[in-house]
Amino acid sequence: QLQVVQSGSEVTKPGSSVRISCTASGNTFTNYAVNWVRQAPGQGLEWMGAVIPIFPLTRYEESFKDRVLIHADESVNTAYMELTDLTSEDTAIYFCAMGDWGGEMAMPTTFEFWGQGTVVSVTS
Amino acid sequence: DIQMTQSPSSHSASVGDRVTITCQASQDIAKSLNWYQHKSFKAPKLLIRDASRLDSGVPSRFRGGGSETNFTFTITSLQPEDFATYYCQQYGALPLTFGGGTKVDVK
Repeated sequence: QLQVVQSGSEVTKPGSSVRISCTASGNTFTNYAVNWVRQAPGQGLEWMGAVIPIFPLTRYEESFKDRVLIHADESVNTAYMELTDLTSEDTAIYFCAMGDWGGEMAMPTTFEFWGQGTVVSVTS
Repeated sequence: DIQMTQSPSSHSASVGDRVTITCQASQDIAKSLNWYQHKSFKAPKLLIRDASRLDSGVPSRFRGGGSETNFTFTITSLQPEDFATYYCQQYGALPLTFGGGTKVDVK
């Protein structure tokens, strides 16, 4: 069984960047896709992108593509998500979620093992 | 992008009730659909994968069905711990997308 732990809450200013880490233990990190999902206040869940460390390969949601960088360091079983040019609309809880991937396009499919969430607050 | 239309957005129910949620995809996704339970201040939990397969350890009162564009999620007898928000999520194509969620609360 995989356990996933994320880095702590962040308070930051508009225009800045934030980097969140996601560390896995209990199983082989590279077998999974590591996804990033966020939930803004009062809103639903939104997929931002993923990395599949075994290749490595990244997939991004188009609306984040110019501002997000997702990568993994297999040596420490940790994935990172960096989001730049933050605005108040980026205030949200950010989850990493590890799960299966598949198909010819090496696409993430399922969010099986979740981190505890990282609160990011963007405020001037 | 594939749009997932989930309904209802909220549902008030009592313990023991049968609860059914629907999710409609904007295009054919075969059975590429998962269902999650989300409680406030906790991480979401995978309940059903591939439209109808219960994830390990998930009680059998949770059921999923459907294919192509129309999917259903049912709680056959609502338990106190089931009050939460439920989301469908498709993986038929990138980007992965969620339904808008259904909040199940106490009647």
